Amino acid sequence: NAGVTQTPKFRILKIGQSMTLQCTQDMNHNYMYWYRQDPGMGLKLIYYSVGAGITDKGEVPNGYNVSRSTTEDFPLRLELAAPSQTSVYFCATTSSSYEQYFGPGTRLTVT
Amino acid sequence: GQQVMQIPQYQHVQEGEDFTTYCNSSTTLSNIQWYKQRPGGHPVFLIQLVKSGEVKKQKRLTFQFGEAKKNSSLHITATQTTDVGTYFCAGDDYKLSFGAGTTVTVRA
Repeated sequence: NAGVTQTPKFRILKIGQSMTLQCTQDMNHNYMYWYRQDPGMGLKLIYYSVGAGITDKGEVPNGYNVSRSTTEDFPLRLELAAPSQTSVYFCATTSSSYEQYFGPGTRLTVT
Repeated sequence: GQQVMQIPQYQHVQEGEDFTTYCNSSTTLSNIQWYKQRPGGHPVFLIQLVKSGEVKKQKRLTFQFGEAKKNSSLHITATQTTDVGTYFCAGDDYKLSFGAGTTVTVRA
C-alpha cells in the first residue's frame, strides 16, 4: 500500500498562476484533509471532506477550492496564486480512530 | 473556536537529559493526539489519549491526559539525537486542531 501520495513534491508559481495539488489515498478512508504549514508554524486546516461528494471549509479556506468525486482523490486547487500561499501543503486521511495519516507534502513557492 | 496551545515553542536539550512539553486547550477535549515531525518530513502519529487522567508510555516517551481533559503532556527521558523534531498535539474528534508544536534540538 502506498498510503497517501501527493504530487508534485515541489512547485514554483508566478503570482496569478493557478495549479492543482493532487492527493490520493489507497486506505479507503472516508475523511480527507488539506493543511498548510508555514515555516516554524503548526498545521492550519484549509478544507476537509467526510466522504465522496462532501467537502467543507476549514480554518483558512480563502484562495483555495477542493472537490471530492471519489473516495481516493482529494485535489486542492489554487486559482490565483499569491505570495501568501507560499507554504508546505499536506494532505491527510483519517481512520475510524481519528489517527491521521499524512502524505509527504508539496512545497510551493509563489514569486 | 477551539484553540490548542503548546509550550515551550523550542526546547534545546543536552543528550541524556529529560524534558517535558505541554499542551493546553481552551475547551474540554474528547481525545488528544500527539504527532512527531522530523525536519523536512511530514507529521507521524505517535499516540491518542481518550480517558481522563490517562497515561501511556512508548519506550522513553510518556504521554499524559489531564483529569479535566483540557491539557496534556509529553515527557521524554534520556533524550537521544533521534528525538530531534517537532512534536505536535492535536484535538479533537475528526477535525483536529493542531498546536504550533515544540521543536526539539539535541546537543550531543
